[in-house]
Amino acid sequence: GENVEQHPSTLSVQEGDSAVIKCTYSDSASNYFPWYKQELGKRPQLIIDIRSNVGEKKDQRIAVTLNKTAKHFSLHITETQPEDSAVYFCATYNAGNMLTFGGGTRLMVKP
Amino acid sequence: GAVVSQHPSRVICKSGTSVKIECRSLDFQATTMFWYRQFPKQSLMLMATSNEGSKATYEQGVEKDKFLINHASLTLSTLTVTSAHPEDSSFYICSATRENTEAFFGQGTRLTVV
Repeated sequence: GENVEQHPSTLSVQEGDSAVIKCTYSDSASNYFPWYKQELGKRPQLIIDIRSNVGEKKDQRIAVTLNKTAKHFSLHITETQPEDSAVYFCATYNAGNMLTFGGGTRLMVKP
Repeated sequence: GAVVSQHPSRVICKSGTSVKIECRSLDFQATTMFWYRQFPKQSLMLMATSNEGSKATYEQGVEKDKFLINHASLTLSTLTVTSAHPEDSSFYICSATRENTEAFFGQGTRLTVV
């Protein structure tokens, strides 16, 4: 089955700096790559996603890049703010509509 | 966006009792729902795939007789934790997918077994 590895597990940045979280996956058939933000005790919320036919997608301060050949994708957050502090999960989607999550990254943005 | 509702949000039960958690898709039909378990500071681990009108598919290591899943309609899946023990205490969360798009998550259920 699919194996998704996410790094780093924790990330601390100063407010205004950029944050980058990387994920690698094993199943070359995966075709959809969402990123979720989860605040403590709450449900994961989709923040950005990318499909396999594009290499990059941007939404204001958030961007995702995908390298299908190398089987890795990354989340980029610019101009970080304290409210960006949360746990972020990458995931991959296969043809069976099944999500496989990465291990998560705890992002702390220091004011 | 689509809404998935999960109840209860919190439950405390005595060891040995059973707890039922409901997951509903409120504005779309979900032929497939997924149940996850999340321990503190860990990722979401898929427990089982709930298929409407057929038996659930369980992930390796998940006891099907302990975690009973029923997907009786296109909008409702239930997870029953039977004979709960303290080690079953966790955050349980369901998700549903609409037409091969993003997954929508329920609010989650924090189960505490005392």
